[in-house]
Amino acid sequence: TQLLEQSPQFLSIQEGENLTVYCNSSSVFSSLQWYRQEPGEGPVLLVTVVTGGEVKKLKRLTFQFGDARKDSSLHITAAQPGDTGLYLCAGAARGATNKLIFGTGTLLAVQP
Amino acid sequence: NAGVTQTPKFQVLKTGQSMTLQCAQDMNHEYMSWYRQDPGMGLRLIHYSVGAGITDQGEVPNGYNVSRSTTEDFPLRLLSAAPSQTSVYFCASSYGARSYEQYFGPGTRLTVT
Repeated sequence: TQLLEQSPQFLSIQEGENLTVYCNSSSVFSSLQWYRQEPGEGPVLLVTVVTGGEVKKLKRLTFQFGDARKDSSLHITAAQPGDTGLYLCAGAARGATNKLIFGTGTLLAVQP
Repeated sequence: NAGVTQTPKFQVLKTGQSMTLQCAQDMNHEYMSWYRQDPGMGLRLIHYSVGAGITDQGEVPNGYNVSRSTTEDFPLRLLSAAPSQTSVYFCASSYGARSYEQYFGPGTRLTVT
């Protein structure tokens, strides 16, 4: 059973626009990660958040972990074509910390 | 360091055939895992291992076997391939499961006819 739901599933925007991707669950997570995957390659880690309410910034990307540690968001400011890819959240639920579960993914296309 | 390597890159099997997907890492990571990736489903955990000699099931273990005789290697065996196992398979390794970066291999694209 998939524990992490991402929305939207697909997103196509113009260069320069802002966007937010959501990762939601009914379970509490001890930590949560965001990955980006490009076609034909494996996912690559962007960030790890571990504290409820935590906000991390990586250049134009802002990541937030929900206060209750059940959800997270990824906000991209002034998107660029190089941001195109599949964005995946992943977490280890409390009580099952050896099982890293990935979300359903958000496919982002940024048009020049 | 080569990181995480997977072989083969592509494979076509007939229904009922068996095969082993190879995965190796040279980073001395204790945690290794296998995922399958299908459109709209993200990555689903098949099996994982927290160290040599220790394996456990993930979300979708049926039809797959694993073993971990060494820290470096974590092969995935398909016992009797079925069309439902057509997917892209990724192996990953890390120092631990939570809070640690998962390093992924390049994937194996498997088609079962």
